[in-house]
Amino acid sequence: SQTIHQWPATLVQPVGSPLSLECTVEGTSNPNLYWYRQAAGRGLQLLFYSVGIGQISSEVPQNLSASRPQDRQFILSSKKLLLSDSGFYLCAWSKGLNTGELFFGEGSRLTVL
Amino acid sequence: AQKVTQAQTEISVVEKEDVTLDCVYETRDTTYYLFWYKQPPSGELVFLIRRNSFDEQNEISGRYSWNFQKSTSSFNFTITASQVVDSAVYFCALKSGGSNYKLTFGKGTLLTVNP
Repeated sequence: SQTIHQWPATLVQPVGSPLSLECTVEGTSNPNLYWYRQAAGRGLQLLFYSVGIGQISSEVPQNLSASRPQDRQFILSSKKLLLSDSGFYLCAWSKGLNTGELFFGEGSRLTVL
Repeated sequence: AQKVTQAQTEISVVEKEDVTLDCVYETRDTTYYLFWYKQPPSGELVFLIRRNSFDEQNEISGRYSWNFQKSTSSFNFTITASQVVDSAVYFCALKSGGSNYKLTFGKGTLLTVNP
C-alpha cells in the first residue's frame, strides 16, 4: 500500500532563517506531488505541484520554493523565512490523470517568530 | 473560475444526532469531480469520497451519506447518529475534469460532536 510521510512534524524558526520540509511517498511510482498551506482560518492553499522529477509549478508568488530531486521526494524550502510563512504545511500525492483524489501526509506545523 | 462554498463555519451537535454539512460549488466545466475530506485534530486530511459530474446517484457508506444535486450545484454530506469521533473539520473540494492537478477547497466546516 502507498504511504506518505512528512517531516519535521513541528518546527519553530526565527525570521530570516532557512527552511526545509521534506515529503516522501512510498509504494507508488511517478506520483503527482503537491504542497499545500493551511493558514489560520482553515483555508487550504495550493503552493506547488509536480508531475515529475525536476518539474515544479508554482501557484502563487511567494517566499518559498519547491524541488523534486527524486521521483517520490518533494521538498519545500525557503532561504529566509517571513512571519507570514507560519502555518500548517501539507504534502499530498495523487495518481492518474483524472482520478483527482489527493492523499495527504501528516502535516508540518511551522511557527516563525 | 471554480469556487466551493461551505457556508457553515462551525456546527455543534449532541451525540446520536444527525447532521448535514452543506457544500455549494461553481464551475463552468461539464466534467468535474467533487470530494469530501475529513481533518481530525491530528491534522492529516483523510479522503472520504469522490463523485464525478455524470453520476448523481447518492451514496451511502455506513453512517455517512452524500447527496449530489447538479440542479442546485450542491454536494451535501450527512452523518447519521453522530459520534464524538466524528468531530473534525470537513472540507468539500472540486476538480475540473480537464485539470489533473488542482483541487479547489472550501474553507471547511468545524463539526463538534458533544457527548
